Amino acid sequence: EADIYQTPRYLVIGTGKKITLECSQTMGHDKMYWYQQDPGMELHLIHYSYGVNSTEKGDLSSESTVSRIRTEHFPLTLESARPSHTSQYLCASSQPQLNYGYTFGSGTRLTVV
Amino acid sequence: AQSVTQPDIHITVSEGASLELRCNYSYGATPYLFWYVQSPGQGLQLLLKYFSGDTLVQGIKGFEAEFKRSQSSFNLRKPSVHWSDAAEYFCAVGSPNSWGKFQFGAGTQVVVTP
Repeated sequence: EADIYQTPRYLVIGTGKKITLECSQTMGHDKMYWYQQDPGMELHLIHYSYGVNSTEKGDLSSESTVSRIRTEHFPLTLESARPSHTSQYLCASSQPQLNYGYTFGSGTRLTVV
Repeated sequence: AQSVTQPDIHITVSEGASLELRCNYSYGATPYLFWYVQSPGQGLQLLLKYFSGDTLVQGIKGFEAEFKRSQSSFNLRKPSVHWSDAAEYFCAVGSPNSWGKFQFGAGTQVVVTP
């Protein structure tokens, strides 16, 4: 059973629309992450958070923004979607001890037309 | 900077045959190493991990991996593949100094034939 939830699973949206991808976890993890995944490519970290009111940009530049007002919630927002934003977005969380690895959500596949 | 290479983009294996997926990493100290599996339309599931101790680690679904420091490798193996093992497999590396930011390989797609 999943302890980290992403909604929606699939989203097709027009260019210029504002969208928010939801990510929630019930494990009480302080660390949360957003990765972008494209076919045949490695996962790229776009945002991460070490706790409430803590957000940082990842290694891959992204036009998206994130917020962390509550421990369990880490939404990602695109103010104006473009076709180049078409991708799969994966949310993950981890315990303080890094050797436990990540727990991933099922992902949101975004298509911007 | 740490990096991960999965040399095989795509592997086809017959059901019942053995499977080995390669992973090479670049990192100065002993890293944390992980293998994840992703089924179509799903997120990534942790198969196994290594951070210290015995260099041969056992994971879920009958998988194992061996850490070889001299070769900077962490190859994943399964003695007998089942059709349900068809998926994409990702190797990842992290470290205490990476603040939880893991580096992932590009993945290996495994196809299982009857």
